[in-house]
Amino acid sequence: AQSVAQPEDQVNVAEGNPLTVKCTYSVSGNPYLFWYVQYPNRGLQFLLKYITGDNLVKGSYGFEAEFNKSQTSFHLKKPSALVSDSALYFCAVNPRGYSTLTFGKGTMLLVSP
Amino acid sequence: EAQVTQNPRYLITVTGKKLTVTCSQNMNHEYMSWYRQDPGLGLRQIYYSMNVEVTDKGDVPEGYKVSRKEKRNFPLILESPSPNQTSLYFCASSFREGTQYFGPGTRLTVL
Repeated sequence: AQSVAQPEDQVNVAEGNPLTVKCTYSVSGNPYLFWYVQYPNRGLQFLLKYITGDNLVKGSYGFEAEFNKSQTSFHLKKPSALVSDSALYFCAVNPRGYSTLTFGKGTMLLVSP
Repeated sequence: EAQVTQNPRYLITVTGKKLTVTCSQNMNHEYMSWYRQDPGLGLRQIYYSMNVEVTDKGDVPEGYKVSRKEKRNFPLILESPSPNQTSLYFCASSFREGTQYFGPGTRLTVL
């Protein structure tokens, strides 16, 4: 069975500093990998995805994610955090050939001024 | 505007009173899905549909029903709601294997 782990319930970072939100996965084959963001009282918004190709994927709002096949990780990164980046971030995976997403439990990112 | 809509956005009901949460998408997506979000548990899939008249159980289907009579609509039915179904519900849609787009959510409270 596939699974996604987000080992940190919360990540705290100061504005202007780089941020990393961690994600590891367990699924057979070469899955598709996603990051979504949820702002308070809002639905999930798509940030970025990895399908194939370059291991560094660029997405919305200056976010990027690094795919590491050997470590089965897909960490979300941003070079310089903004207070407005404070939100709940979800990593998700689905095996190729399927549409069903499996989500991690989410990581709350808090960026302090 | 391409979107997934859900109604109602907020609902307070009592145990045992049947309810339906509607979901509609205007992107001609084949795939639609329902999730529930609970603190500390992330999103868990309830049911999904690969196309019209094709539905299947997700990870937490007990107490829920769905139907897919039209491509654009995928209602979630709670025949006899119970307090453990109090949650935040999201509908999503996508092309097959594509990026899923989510509705704004329905916050359900069952007393």
